[in-house]
Amino acid sequence: SQKIEQNSEALNIQEGKTATLTCNYTNYSPAYLQWYRQDPGRGPVFLLLIRENEKEKRKERLKVTFDTTLKQSLFHITASQPADSATYLCALGDSGNTPLVFGKGTRLSVIA
Amino acid sequence: SAVISQKPSRDICQRGTSLTIQCQVDSQVTMMFWYRQQPGQSLTLIATANQGSEATYESGFVIDKFPISRPNLTFSTLTVSNMSPEDSSIYLCSVGGQTDRTDTQYFGPGTRLTVL
Repeated sequence: SQKIEQNSEALNIQEGKTATLTCNYTNYSPAYLQWYRQDPGRGPVFLLLIRENEKEKRKERLKVTFDTTLKQSLFHITASQPADSATYLCALGDSGNTPLVFGKGTRLSVIA
Repeated sequence: SAVISQKPSRDICQRGTSLTIQCQVDSQVTMMFWYRQQPGQSLTLIATANQGSEATYESGFVIDKFPISRPNLTFSTLTVSNMSPEDSSIYLCSVGGQTDRTDTQYFGPGTRLTVL
């Protein structure tokens, strides 16, 4: 069955540094991968989508890479701020008409 | 992007009762999905709701416990029936990226359910 692993349950980082979160998957060949931010008690908020034929995508301080050979995605937040503290979820999918498969998430804490 | 609202945002219910959660989207979408997120866990898909047909349930979820309605392309409800404390979770609806023709899926703010 499909399996998604996010490298760590929790990650603490100093303000201003770059946070790097990892998402690995097995038994799946997704058409795309999405990253979401989730704050406690709230629904996930979409951040970035990267397709299988894309290597890298950027949005402001966010950067996502996607290596289909390694079956891995890296999510970077540069110049991290305390406001970036949240749980970040990766999710794999085939199309907008099929449900996503989620990892367990990484809880990021940015310390001032 | 799609804007999704859910009602109620939270509720505290007694064991054995039922709660219906509403999901409203600001545009027409073909597919809507219902997820559950138990405390400290990731999202688990309950069912896929396609307008005009019966919902498709994932393993471990049944229609008698989680009946779903999908009367039109902008609205769906999920009912949590005969609740027990194990049903305490955040319930989330999401939609496929029909509005902007991408594969992005958007989520509602969630309904936080506590069963006593």
